[in-house]
This record gives sequence, C-alpha cells and structure tokens, in this order.
Amino acid sequence: KNQVEQSPQSLIILEGKNCTLQCNYTVSPFSNLRWYKQDTGRGPVSLTIMTFSENTKSNGRYTATLDADTKQSSLHITASQLSDSASYICVVSDGDSGYSTLTFGKGTMLLVSP
Amino acid sequence: NAGVTQTPKFRILKIGQSMTLQCTQDMNHNYMYWYRQDPGMGLKLIYYSVGAGITDKGEVPNGYNVSRSTTEDFPLRLELAAPSQTSVYFCASSHGTAGNQPQHFGDGTRLSIL
Repeated sequence: KNQVEQSPQSLIILEGKNCTLQCNYTVSPFSNLRWYKQDTGRGPVSLTIMTFSENTKSNGRYTATLDADTKQSSLHITASQLSDSASYICVVSDGDSGYSTLTFGKGTMLLVSP
Repeated sequence: NAGVTQTPKFRILKIGQSMTLQCTQDMNHNYMYWYRQDPGMGLKLIYYSVGAGITDKGEVPNGYNVSRSTTEDFPLRLELAAPSQTSVYFCASSHGTAGNQPQHFGDGTRLSIL
C-alpha cells in the first residue's frame, strides 16, 4: 500500500529561525513529489513539484530536496516569518499519464512564534 | 481571476438530508477533483473528472455522486447524509493530469452532519 509519512507532526519555532520538515514515502512507481502549504481554513497551495531527476527545488524561502534512492524528501524554510504558520503537506504521485494516484501525507503543523 | 470557488463555506445537515456542494473554476482546466479532509488525516479522493461529461470514482466514492456538464462546474451531491460524512470538502482543478501538474484548490466546504 502506498504511504507518505511526515515528521514531525507539529513544530514550534521562533520567528527568524530556520526549520526542516521531513517526508518519507513508499509509493511505487514514483513520478513526482510535491509540497503544499495549507493555511488554517484555506485550501492547499502548491509550493514545489520535483520529478525523479530533480534533487532540489526552491520557491523563495522554501527549498525542497528529494532523494529518490532512500525515498525521502525534506522542506527547508529559511528565516521563518509569522505567515509561515501553516500545515505543510507532502504528496507523491505514482504516474503522469491518464489518471495518476496521489498519496497525501497527514501534514506537519508549523507554528512560528514571535 | 478567482481560481477555484466553492460554496457554501459552512453547512450543517441533519442525518438523511441531501445537499449539493458547488465548485466552479475559471482557469479552463480539464481536470477537476473532489477530496475530503478528515481531522489528522491526509486528503482522500472522492471523485474526479477529466473533462465535461466524464467522471470516475476515486478512493472513497460511497455516498456521493458527481456530474460534469460544463468545463467550469463540478458539483458534488450527498443524497442521504450520514455522520461519517462530516468533513471538510475540497474541490481542485489542474491543467493536465494531477500526476504532473499542480492542483489548484478551493478554500473548502466545512460540513457537519448531526
């Protein structure tokens, strides 16, 4: 069964600090991995999408890494801001033709404290 | 450009009642999806559509129905509401298959069945 596990479940950091969120997956075959940000009461918003051949991808202060060999990904947030407080969801796709199955992680809840 | 719009934002239903959750997108996306998000769980796919007139079941379709008469609209119908359908429902769309294109989500409908 395809699974996406995220850690930690929740995290509190001080404003201005960096943090790293983890994602481990057992999805096969693998097509791509994406990170979403979900603000409270809102829908998820795409941050990055990485295919098998991409090791890293950045979106402003967000940098995602992918190790397809170990089936791990991380999302690094630099110089955190209060607006970074949200749930961060890791999603893995098993294909890119026709309909592909997306497996969603449960998310990591990040709170940035002043 | 509104993106994906869902209505209503909140709704309380009694057991056995029926209702339709509305979803419309203005990005001319062919692919549209309905997900449910239960507390502490990853998003689960209910139904999806690859274009007007074409729909198919996702992972958790029981108790729901959909239709896609236009590119823009993808309503979700609950016929006999049950407490197990209490959840937050998200509609999403994408330009290509969800496997290789980012999904754009609405802000959700929060549904309680009492």
